[in-house]
Parts: sequence; structure tokens; C-alpha cells
Amino acid sequence: NAGVMQNPRHLVRRRGQEARLRCSPMKGHSHVYWYRQLPEEGLKFMVYLQKENIIDESGMPKERFSAEFPKEGPSILRIQQVVRGDSAAYFCASSRGQVTDTQYFGPGTRLTVL
Amino acid sequence: ILNVEQSPQSLHVQEGDSTNFTCSFPSSNFYALHWYRWETAKSPEALFVMTLNGDEKKKGRISATLNTKEGYSYLYIKGSQPEDSATYLCAFYGPLNNNDMRFGAGTRLTVKP
Repeated sequence: NAGVMQNPRHLVRRRGQEARLRCSPMKGHSHVYWYRQLPEEGLKFMVYLQKENIIDESGMPKERFSAEFPKEGPSILRIQQVVRGDSAAYFCASSRGQVTDTQYFGPGTRLTVL
Repeated sequence: ILNVEQSPQSLHVQEGDSTNFTCSFPSSNFYALHWYRWETAKSPEALFVMTLNGDEKKKGRISATLNTKEGYSYLYIKGSQPEDSATYLCAFYGPLNNNDMRFGAGTRLTVKP
């Protein structure tokens, strides 16, 4: 049973470009969470999704950031017109159920904006 | 703003020592507390999910307790080994948070051989 997969592991973008980060949850998991770790900071919640639904996006920046988890395929975190301040490690986690279930983290995507 | 605080920030112990550290969280509107172990250059690894006041959970040499009335959880490591060296994170869920998980800054444990 493969764990949570994230790709790419490293992503380099120039300012103004778009970044797409993918997360494939563990088999049987229908809940996905995205977190961000800015340099020298801890983990911060961004968004919680179930298949085809955004449950809570209270941690997402209001502009340029969006997330989806379609019926088929991975969850996508999309950052439009990236800026240097978006450089961070982005982790996703999946769980079978809600917040009382164990979350399993992927290896993360390290985004560098030049 | 709901704060999750962990202490100490860092801890250095000798191999074989037992140790413990604390996660403090708002005692009102508690829903769940997660403990994670996070090694450098890896991703967080789930240790425990705790939901009930008085919960005690154990996994090998690591155990955790929960007091929701006073808003704290302890993580204990018995007979620390160098491979226990990692950052230990706690994360709090409460209804006021809706579905977001608030992480503490972590306790960085170093176990010297």
C-alpha cells in the first residue's frame, strides 16, 4: 500500500509563473489536507478537501492560491503568478476520515521562486 | 487567536535517559490532539491521535497522556536512543478552528550516544 505521493519533489519557478503541486492520497483515503512550511517557521494549515469538495480553506491566501480534489486523479494545489514569498515546503496529508483520524504525510514539494 | 505551545523548545539528553515534553493548548472547545515525529529532511510521521480526557497511548518506548480540562498533553520517551532524535510536534483541533489543525512549534530532541 503506497503512502501519500507528492510531485514534483522540487519545483523551481520564476516570479509570475504558475506552480502546480500534486498530491495522491493513500489508497482508501478520501480526505486531503495541504500545509505550508515557510523558511524558519512551523507548519501552517492551508486547506482541507474531500473528493470534489473544499471543506475548509480558511488557511489559504485569498489571492493566487487555489486547490481542488477531483473525483478522479490527484489533489492539486495551484499557485498563480508566484512571488518570492511563496518559496516554501508544501506538504499534503491524507486520512480515511475526519480530524480524529490519523493523517499520513507525503514527502513534500519544495518550491523555490527565483 | 488560539495558541498551541510546546516546551521545551529543544532538549539534549544522553542515550538511555527518559524524557518528557509538554504541549499546551486552549482547554475550551477541545476536539482532538495529534502528536507527530518529524525527522530532518523527512515528512511528519503520526504518533498518536488523542481525543478523550485522561487518554493514555503507548507505542513502544513512547507514550502520551492528555488532560483536556487543563489543556495539556505530555509525551514521554523511555530509555531514549539516538534514533529518537527528531522534532516532536503536537497539533490541536477545536471546533473554533473549524477543520484546521494548529501546530505547535515543536520540541527538538537530540539524543547523544
